[in-house]
Amino acid sequence: DAKTTQPPSMDCAEGRAANLPCNHSTISGNEYVYWYRQIHSQGPQYIIHGLKNNETNEMASLIITEDRKSSTLILPHATLRDTAVYYCIVRLAGPEYGNKLVFGAGTILRVKS
Amino acid sequence: DGGITQSPKYLFRKEGQNVTLSCEQNLNHDAMYWYRQDPGQGLRLIYYSQIVNDFQKGDIAEGYSVSREKKESFPLTVTSAQKNPTAFYLCASSSHGLDTEAFFGQGTRLTVV
Repeated sequence: DAKTTQPPSMDCAEGRAANLPCNHSTISGNEYVYWYRQIHSQGPQYIIHGLKNNETNEMASLIITEDRKSSTLILPHATLRDTAVYYCIVRLAGPEYGNKLVFGAGTILRVKS
Repeated sequence: DGGITQSPKYLFRKEGQNVTLSCEQNLNHDAMYWYRQDPGQGLRLIYYSQIVNDFQKGDIAEGYSVSREKKESFPLTVTSAQKNPTAFYLCASSSHGLDTEAFFGQGTRLTVV
């Protein structure tokens, strides 16, 4: 299984960009990187995903290095409501894995005023 | 509204009793997943199903059982063989393929006393 490594916690000032790093050095060529976040006692919320190109949506941007061994999630203007646990996940390829999402421990992002 | 529903939100059971957690989706997704989350930890996969009448064990299947008789339903039974059943349980569903997001329910918090 491809594993991900994230810092356990990060702080960010309100209104500033939050940059959350993730290492996934064993990722296979057809496996996608997904980002989810979880606010306490709720189900994880999808943020964004990508394969090798950078991606952007209304919530965030995803920057994937050329060798695909790491990525960065960018929240351009963090608000207090962005305080959550952020999970960087590799979706395993192949029917034998059921395309399952493999979660790590995640990064606790604290946005402070 | 389309979505994935878990019930109940909170569940209390006596030790030694089996208990079944409900998960229903109306997103027409083929794949469904059950995860367990302990305090301060990431999500761990219990069981997953890629199609009706078929399911596979995840990383921590011991003490759990599932069924997939209908596309929209994937109930999880926590049996008396599960040594430490108190946890937060999350259900998810997705279409097939690596390039599709998974949607999560809001979870069921099970407490065994």
